[in-house]
Amino acid sequence: QVQLQESGPGLVKPSETLSLTCAVSGYSISSGYYWGWIRQPPGKGLEWIGSIYHSGSTYYNPSLKSRVTISVDTSKNQFSLKLSSVTAADTAVYYCARGGLFNAFDIWGQGTMVTVSS
Amino acid sequence: DIQMTQSPSTLSASVGDRVTITCRASQSISSWLAWYQQKPGKAPKLLIYKASSLESGVPSRFSGSGSGTEFTLTISSLQPDDFATYYCQQYNSYFLTFGGGTKVEIK
Repeated sequence: QVQLQESGPGLVKPSETLSLTCAVSGYSISSGYYWGWIRQPPGKGLEWIGSIYHSGSTYYNPSLKSRVTISVDTSKNQFSLKLSSVTAADTAVYYCARGGLFNAFDIWGQGTMVTVSS
Repeated sequence: DIQMTQSPSTLSASVGDRVTITCRASQSISSWLAWYQQKPGKAPKLLIYKASSLESGVPSRFSGSGSGTEFTLTISSLQPDDFATYYCQQYNSYFLTFGGGTKVEIK
């Protein structure tokens, strides 16, 4: 079955760049679908960060757009998130998931906690 | 952006109760609405997509209805495993948005 797994540093310093990767198994990203990132601050709700199509076209949450880059590496069957100039407000559990425009998020990674602190 | 408003934010219910959660969109999203269930420390799980389609493997006591701007998630007979937080999400526009969540607690 399709599985997603996030990886990356659990601690990032303020003003630095948060980098996460989502490895996909059981499905080839190049076959289709949108792939996205969603985050959840401690004790709060879900916030969509952005999504990427298998072809590489991207769209982002306007409130984060200036700081976000999502890319796809079909050779490694993974996609990545970079969030620059982080602050404590970016502390959250970050999830990768399959889904986006006209596609619900049907498969999720387990999530990875990222703390922004010096 | 399309704002999604869920009500209530918290709901207390007993096993066997019929439970209804409402989600309103600030503009029409046709039927591009999903419902998720999230338990503490776990990733959200898709329950309903396209407003009323049951995701494979999800118990039939869960159902969704609505279109346009008004949507509901109904649990016909609440089970112990259903105590969780539920989120709606629209995927009609490029700016995807979630509702604030409804926590279903034990009465």
